[in-house]
Amino acid sequence: KNEVEQSPQNLTAQEGEFITINCSYSVGISALHWLQQHPGGGIVSLFMLSSGKKKHGRLIATINIQEKHSSLHITASHPRDSAVYICAVRLKGTASKLTFGTGTRLQVTL
Amino acid sequence: EAGVTQFPSHSVIEKGQTVTLRCDPISGHDNLYWYRRVMGKEIKFLLHFVKESKQDESGMPNNRFLAERTGGTYSTLKVQPAELEDSGVYFCASSQDLPSTQYFGPGTRLTVL
Repeated sequence: KNEVEQSPQNLTAQEGEFITINCSYSVGISALHWLQQHPGGGIVSLFMLSSGKKKHGRLIATINIQEKHSSLHITASHPRDSAVYICAVRLKGTASKLTFGTGTRLQVTL
Repeated sequence: EAGVTQFPSHSVIEKGQTVTLRCDPISGHDNLYWYRRVMGKEIKFLLHFVKESKQDESGMPNNRFLAERTGGTYSTLKVQPAELEDSGVYFCASSQDLPSTQYFGPGTRLTVL
């Protein structure tokens, strides 16, 4: 079993819908990252968080350290949000090593 | 400012051959990371450089893989000899400090036939 689990694996939504992608982890962490990869594109870091909540535009990331769970929300989704969203954690006691989830493939249709 | 660049973008080689991947981090970033995504699996950490030193190479699969970062600037990852299971996308990332956001390159897609 992977130390980082994401759900759902695939998600299709209509433009304008509110989207939630979940990430659960089973290890002690010092930080959690949300990353985005567009088809054929590189990986972009969206958020790095260790507690609470962060917001950037229509994206919101939350983390609950006690429950070992994080969510990525997209409000008013748009077709350009179609991408793979990846959760990655930095294990406690490591300076930099990231452990990744398998990603959630999001397709937003008109 | 230029982002992280990787060369080549694609490489197709035969089993037993040697391939060298290159990563140029963002200028001034002391930390450089190599990751790999094998088809259908999650991205996995390979190793981390701080300047020219290997800080953590716990993810390197075996001794067919050799990473270098001479002079603490660009890095190379050599696979010799390549095996079929080495096929995948190799990502490089860099960061200025620890811990901080890692900036990823576009990846090199390696296909071993």
